[in-house]
Amino acid sequence: EVQLVESGGGLVQPGGSLRLSCAASGFTFSRYWMSWVRQAPGKGLEWVANIKQDGSDKYYVDSVKGRFTISRDNAKNSVYLQMNSLRAEDTGVYYCAREAWFGDFWGQGTLVTVSS
Amino acid sequence: EIVMTQSPATLSVSPGEKATLSCRASQSVNSNLVWYQQKPGQAPRLLISGASTRATGIPARFSGSGSGTEFTLTISSLQSEDFAVYYCQQYKNWWTFGQGTKVEIK
Repeated sequence: EVQLVESGGGLVQPGGSLRLSCAASGFTFSRYWMSWVRQAPGKGLEWVANIKQDGSDKYYVDSVKGRFTISRDNAKNSVYLQMNSLRAEDTGVYYCAREAWFGDFWGQGTLVTVSS
Repeated sequence: EIVMTQSPATLSVSPGEKATLSCRASQSVNSNLVWYQQKPGQAPRLLISGASTRATGIPARFSGSGSGTEFTLTISSLQSEDFAVYYCQQYKNWWTFGQGTKVEIK
């Protein structure tokens, strides 16, 4: 059974940092691109970043470029999102998703709240 | 960026009735479109990929159609568990999502 479990969310002040983790199981992690998608409270879905199977290619939505970094550790079956210089508009639930061109499996998400 | 527009924003339907949800892309995405269902407090769940292929375990009452810029998700006979928010998403050029259609009980 495919499972994706996010962790690392919490309350952080504007300008602060957080590192999200997503632990994968039930499939051969190293064969898939992985994505992070976020959802602001009461709003829709927004793709944030993705990373190639070997970590050699990474892409970001414009609003997080230079502030967020996606990475992965295939030995630990995990993908990460380092978030720096956080802003109030970064508040939301962050999901990791396995990519099969689209997101075929999603984790349950972790809540990030940026507030003073 | 490809902009996805869903209509209506809210659809009020009685159980057992048919629901028709629309999704329009600002430029052609061919058949690179998926539909997700999301219930409160839950992650999105894949329903349809390639505009019309049901995902594993998705009931036959869900069907998708369309290509290019116009797409439709049809739920033939709404069950109580189908009341949720539905999102379309294109994957031709990165990922962009529609704003969602909430299907509520009439």
